[in-house]
Amino acid sequence: EPEVTQTPSHQVTQMGQEVILRCVPISNHLYFYWYRQILGQKVEFLVSFYNNEISEKSEIFDDQFSVERPDGSNFTLKIRSTKLEDSAMYFCASQGQTYNEQFFGPGTRLTVL
Amino acid sequence: DAKTTQPPSMDCAEGRAANLPCNHSTISGNEYVYWYRQIHSQGPQYIIHGLKNNETNEMASLIITEDRKSSTLILPHATLRDTAVYYCIVRDNNNDMRFGAGTRLTVKP
Repeated sequence: EPEVTQTPSHQVTQMGQEVILRCVPISNHLYFYWYRQILGQKVEFLVSFYNNEISEKSEIFDDQFSVERPDGSNFTLKIRSTKLEDSAMYFCASQGQTYNEQFFGPGTRLTVL
Repeated sequence: DAKTTQPPSMDCAEGRAANLPCNHSTISGNEYVYWYRQIHSQGPQYIIHGLKNNETNEMASLIITEDRKSSTLILPHATLRDTAVYYCIVRDNNNDMRFGAGTRLTVKP
């Protein structure tokens, strides 16, 4: 069964450093998403991506965040200058068609020291 | 900014049906109701979704009231592995999903 994969599973970084979280969505899916979940809190929507551009973003997704689909298979989330409060699980999801279910990856745990 | 209301927690005996309620009184006519669950810190897992008709798949059944203002997710024979946080989500027109706090279901032996 196809699945969404994410790397790394755990990333530790120093405050102020740049991090790139990587996701490989399910092949042939058209919609891509990033969510985050701070420990003990709810899953929060960050951004959606379709047709090689951002289609929606939340207030969390400020200028420090960017997304890219560099090669038609990977989908990345970059945080330019990490802050302590960026520590969270980051989930990637992909979806085939409009109003189809989203499939989530296992997540990357980001720890900012 | 979730459009749904769920009880924060529920218990269920192993082997019995788990009935998880959700209120979505402001749902629009073309919005779907989706259910996901999250086990520990794993990625959310899709369970089922529906628009107005009741739906059933290998995991669960979804019962939507006629006025669409509420729904119930039914796990027919709950097992210990069904212990998780269950999220009821109304899917808005721009295709995005906004998670609420969900219901923490504990299945007890």
